[in-house]
Amino acid sequence: GENVEQHPSTLSVQEGDSAVIKCTYSDSASNYFPWYKQELGKGPQLIIDIRSNVGEKKDQRIAVTLNKTAKHFSLHITETQPEDSAVYFCAAHHKLSFGAGTTVTVRA
Amino acid sequence: NAGVTQTPKFQVLKTGQSMTLQCAQDMNHEYMSWYRQDPGMGLRLIHYSVGAGITDQGEVPNGYNVSRSTTEDFPLRLLSAAPSQTSVYFCASSYGGGVAEKLFFGSGTQLSVL
Repeated sequence: GENVEQHPSTLSVQEGDSAVIKCTYSDSASNYFPWYKQELGKGPQLIIDIRSNVGEKKDQRIAVTLNKTAKHFSLHITETQPEDSAVYFCAAHHKLSFGAGTTVTVRA
Repeated sequence: NAGVTQTPKFQVLKTGQSMTLQCAQDMNHEYMSWYRQDPGMGLRLIHYSVGAGITDQGEVPNGYNVSRSTTEDFPLRLLSAAPSQTSVYFCASSYGGGVAEKLFFGSGTQLSVL
């Protein structure tokens, strides 16, 4: 089955700096790559997704890049704010598999 | 809109007990699914449904049953709880792109099996 590895497991950034989370996947048939944000005590919430026919997608301060050849994709958060503090999960879909999550802490 | 509603939020069971985790969505979504979340392991798919009357197994289905008699409801049944089923359970619904795309999650049920 699909194996999705996510790094780093924890990330601490100064408010205003950028945060980058990277994921790799094993199944070359994967064609859909979502990112979810989970705040404490809540369910995950979709923040951005990308399909395999697109290399990059941006939504305000959030962007995702995909390298199909290398089988990795990344989440970029610019100008981080305290409300960006959460656990972020990547996923790859041929048969949907999630990464283990990255706990992001934004220091004021 | 309530979105995806899960009940209960917390539950403690003894080994061997049975229970049903409830999930309801009011968005008329075709697809519904159940995930478990364990520390350091992300989310793993238990069972899913592509419509009323249709269910299928996910990655970790053993020990769980589901049914989908209506579009709105997708309960998850534990027939004989085991400590290995201690986890946080999330129900999700989706539409359009399939059972795995653009998921809307409930707020979760934290289950402890003693």
